[in-house]
Amino acid sequence: QVQLQESGPGLVKPSETLSLTCTVSGGSISNFYWSWIRQPPGKGLEWIGYIHYSGSTSYIPSLKSRVTMSVDMSKNQFSLRLSSVTAADTAMYYCARRYYTSGTYFFDYWGQGTLVTVSS
Amino acid sequence: SYDLTQPLSVSVALGQTARITCGGDSIGSKNVHWYQQKPGQAPVLVICRDSHRPSGIPERFSGSNSGNTATLTISRAQAGDEADYYCQVWDSSTGVFGGGTKLTVL
Repeated sequence: QVQLQESGPGLVKPSETLSLTCTVSGGSISNFYWSWIRQPPGKGLEWIGYIHYSGSTSYIPSLKSRVTMSVDMSKNQFSLRLSSVTAADTAMYYCARRYYTSGTYFFDYWGQGTLVTVSS
Repeated sequence: SYDLTQPLSVSVALGQTARITCGGDSIGSKNVHWYQQKPGQAPVLVICRDSHRPSGIPERFSGSNSGNTATLTISRAQAGDEADYYCQVWDSSTGVFGGGTKLTVL
């Protein structure tokens, strides 16, 4: 059974960089796409982007200038960096596996989420 | 950008059928996926590819998609079905979620 676990600081200061890591266990990071999705308190889900194990990426246009994703295959991990954060970036951040079948992708495994608060 | 529209809330009597809609321009031409999120928990995939149930999801959950509306149907609603439900599609390489619908079982 594939499991994902987010880790990283729960508090980030405004204008600084948010950094999170997702550790995948129970399966290899190879041959899949991996995504980050966030959810501000009391609000809906927002897709941030995905990264392929090969390193190719796609980001939501509204965050593209501030987002970087990377993969560390040796540790079976992938990461998110979001620069110049503001209070609007306060959210629960989820990592998820983007699974492909029959011409489409969906998120079949999710981490439990980690709450990141942006505050001085 | 591509927008998905869901009702903020839907109520259903215990044991009855709930229908949650997801509207989008020609959404019938896209694959729609549905996620259930209970309070304090991560989302769970309940319907993929318009109408397919992942392993472990009860047969009470079904989906359809045509024209400008996709629908998640929950038959014989149970108290445990109370949750937020999100539809999701891909617009080119960009993931798009609907705003979410809160299902209340009365």
